[in-house]
Amino acid sequence: NAGVTQTPKFRILKIGQSMTLQCAQDMNHNYMYWYRQDPGMGLKLIYYSVGAGITDKGEVPNGYNVSRSTTEDFPLRLELAAPSQTSVYFCASSNRGLAENIQYFGAGTRLSVL
Amino acid sequence: AQTVTQSQPEMSVQEAETVTLSCTYDTSESNYYLFWYKQPPSRQMILVIRQEAYKQQNATENRFSVNFQKAAKSFSLKISDSQLGDTAMYFCAFMKLGGGADGLTFGKGTHLIIQP
Repeated sequence: NAGVTQTPKFRILKIGQSMTLQCAQDMNHNYMYWYRQDPGMGLKLIYYSVGAGITDKGEVPNGYNVSRSTTEDFPLRLELAAPSQTSVYFCASSNRGLAENIQYFGAGTRLSVL
Repeated sequence: AQTVTQSQPEMSVQEAETVTLSCTYDTSESNYYLFWYKQPPSRQMILVIRQEAYKQQNATENRFSVNFQKAAKSFSLKISDSQLGDTAMYFCAFMKLGGGADGLTFGKGTHLIIQP
């Protein structure tokens, strides 16, 4: 029962570095999402995907890129890290379109950009 | 666009008491879902309860229940017989149905502390 798996759990980046946050789900869900959570705030949607090969922007997409080559994986790419991207990142998946409409979350990745 | 407002940044109650967390939202949508998520210190987001807007009956899950007032756009969470393990951040969230696949819109959260 892995559910949604995010790696790494923690990462420190220097300004200008790049990295990819990994997300994988084993529930055969069609929809996947990336959120960020800043201190004292709720989660905000960065990007989402409705299926392999299809992605779209959420509320705060600037500075990020995503791809969805398989149903299982939905990596988030930071190309030029900035201090404003210091946050906790959550990946989620759901079987939206069915009655359930529940998003299941990974454990999060804490990222610091210094 | 939707907005979700949680007006109580922090609440503290004694163990075994009942506590109610407030949530209001603003939307022009008629078909949507509302959720309460719990986030303990581990950071894991855990679904507590959900409500379909087309259902008049309030959702319940064991000690957790909601008071859904669609006309007032209010969605409060009641926790009965509170336990130490209920200590966490609680987030109210909105999701519209229909076209597109937007994610959840979250409030800023309420930090609930259960005192022994």
